[in-house]
Amino acid sequence: ELKVEQNPLFLSMQEGKNYTIYCNYSTTSDRLYWYRQDPGKSLESLFVLLSNGAVKQEGRLMASLDTKARLSTLHITAAVHDLSATYFCAVDILNRDDKIIFGKGTRLHILP
Amino acid sequence: NAGVTQTPKFQVLKTGQSMTLQCAQDMNHNSMYWYRQDPGMGLRLIYYSASEGTTDKGEVPNGYNVSRLNKREFSLRLESAAPSQTSVYFCASRLGGAGANVLTFGAGSRLTVL
Repeated sequence: ELKVEQNPLFLSMQEGKNYTIYCNYSTTSDRLYWYRQDPGKSLESLFVLLSNGAVKQEGRLMASLDTKARLSTLHITAAVHDLSATYFCAVDILNRDDKIIFGKGTRLHILP
Repeated sequence: NAGVTQTPKFQVLKTGQSMTLQCAQDMNHNSMYWYRQDPGMGLRLIYYSASEGTTDKGEVPNGYNVSRLNKREFSLRLESAAPSQTSVYFCASRLGGAGANVLTFGAGSRLTVL
């Protein structure tokens, strides 16, 4: 059964610092997604990672995928307050009935 | 650009009452999903439908039923609500099948069971 684990679950950091969120999953997967959720809002897509070694970047966020280690990372560079949100990774399996499983999320609080 | 529309946005029920959460998408997506979100638990998949006419259980299906009424609509029913079903419910859809396609989420439905 596919399981997705994120850590840390909560992170409080100062503006200007760098940090990494980790996402581990339990079975072979072809596709890894990162989503962002602002408080009281719905989820928005950030990145889709499709192959081993894939790297995607958007502003101060960079996501990478290591399918052999079953690990994805979301790296925050020089954090700013606007990045405060909850970040979720999600995994699905190609041709496996379209189920998508989410991690528990990492609540990121960036102090101004 | 309606996307994914959920109704109602808020609902308060008494234990034992029944209700249906409605979800509709206008993007011609094949796959639709219901998740619940609870503090510290992330999003947990309740049921999903990979195509019109099919539904499958997710991680936490007990106490719920679903209907894929047509390609656009996917409803979630609580037959006898329990306090443990107090949660925020999200409907989502995506094109489905081969290729990477992201989920589009509805705004959420906050349900309180007293």
